[in-house]
Parts: sequence; C-alpha cells; structure tokens
Amino acid sequence: DTGVSQDPRHKITKRGQNVTFRCDPISEHNRLYWYRQTLGQGPEFLTYFQNEAQLEKSRLLSDRFSAERPKGSFSTLEIQRTEQGDSAMYLCASTPGSTTWAFFGQGTRLTVV
Amino acid sequence: QKEVEQNSGPLSVPEGAIASLNCTYSDRGSQSFFWYRQYSGKSPELIMFIYSNGDKEDGRFTAQLNKASQYVSLLIRDSQPSDSATYLCAVNEGGKLIFGQGTELSVKP
Repeated sequence: DTGVSQDPRHKITKRGQNVTFRCDPISEHNRLYWYRQTLGQGPEFLTYFQNEAQLEKSRLLSDRFSAERPKGSFSTLEIQRTEQGDSAMYLCASTPGSTTWAFFGQGTRLTVV
Repeated sequence: QKEVEQNSGPLSVPEGAIASLNCTYSDRGSQSFFWYRQYSGKSPELIMFIYSNGDKEDGRFTAQLNKASQYVSLLIRDSQPSDSATYLCAVNEGGKLIFGQGTELSVKP
C-alpha cells in the first residue's frame, strides 16, 4: 500500500493521559499536514512540515499539542494531558509540492473518556 | 468571516438531477482550489482541482472558478445515490489547505 498510513485507527484514552499518533506519508512527498476534524465540520489545520522543518502551527493549537517529523519521513502528533474536547478525528495528509493537492490517510479517531 | 465558507446543507436532489455546490473564500491571493468528497466515517478524497478562472470538466463533475468574485462551485451532473456524501471545498493559502465546513449532499433514488 503506497498511500498515507496512520496508526492507530482508533484510540480511547482517559482524560489526562498522553497519546501519540503516527503518520507515514506517501514516499517522497516532502510536505506533511495534520488536521483535526469534528462531527459536521471540515478538517481544521493544525500544523505542517516541509521535510523535517515544521513551517507553521495553528494558533488554535494549545501547548499540549506537539508534532515532529525527525527525519523528514514519518511524523508523530502527541497530545499531552488529554481533555474531552480533544475527541476528534486526526487526519494526516501529504503532498509532493506546495500547491498541489493533498492525499489523506484513513485518520485516527480519538475518544477521550 | 470564515476563510472558506460553504452552505452546510443538507442539499437533497433526485437521482439524475444536477447538484450544485458552492464555496466562497476570503484570501484574494489564493491560487489553487480543490473539491474533496468525504463519505461518512471515511477520510476526504480529492475529486477535482482548479487553478484558472472558468470551468473545468471531468466526467460528471464540473468545477467553476471566479477569482474576481472569490467563488468556486462544483456541479455534479446525472447525480447518483452513490454521490451522497459531504463535499469539502479547500483553498490553498500560503501552502496549506484551508477547508470549508462541507456541504452534505443526499441523492434520492
């Protein structure tokens, strides 16, 4: 499978716990994006990388969220001290360039109880 | 004002009719525009992109762009029940895609 891969597909966690999600982009795609989507809303931009450099982080993203792409390949998104409001679908997407379309992974559905 | 706005719907059309989905955006500097389809519980998938003013056709789908009016639309001809999904408009702003809230389309047999 050469598409964008996300792991895990589902995560249930207790409030206050830390969670980490992984995204493997399409090979040789140098841009990688993280989005969050709640029911009835479009994907909300969180952050993106050009290779290993984090170029932008949404001002809506609290300090509890951090993302890395250490070798310019896979990326991780960590949420510390989860809150119920963090419950959402977390989507990863990759693209070969800055103006082309993005391909999405299957998403990780987070439920905070 | 939201950066990308869509009517949330739901938009209901009978099978075989033309479905018209609309989107407006606020950044006049945006150069590339995308339509994604999202089935319930699934991730978005690209169906059309458009960069130039005018119409772009691909099978039953036509994307229309009017940069002066900051308006993008998607027409689906001969709508099928399998077209029932949420359609997301996305605009490239500074290298990242900004999405509207999506329009839910329901095609009734």
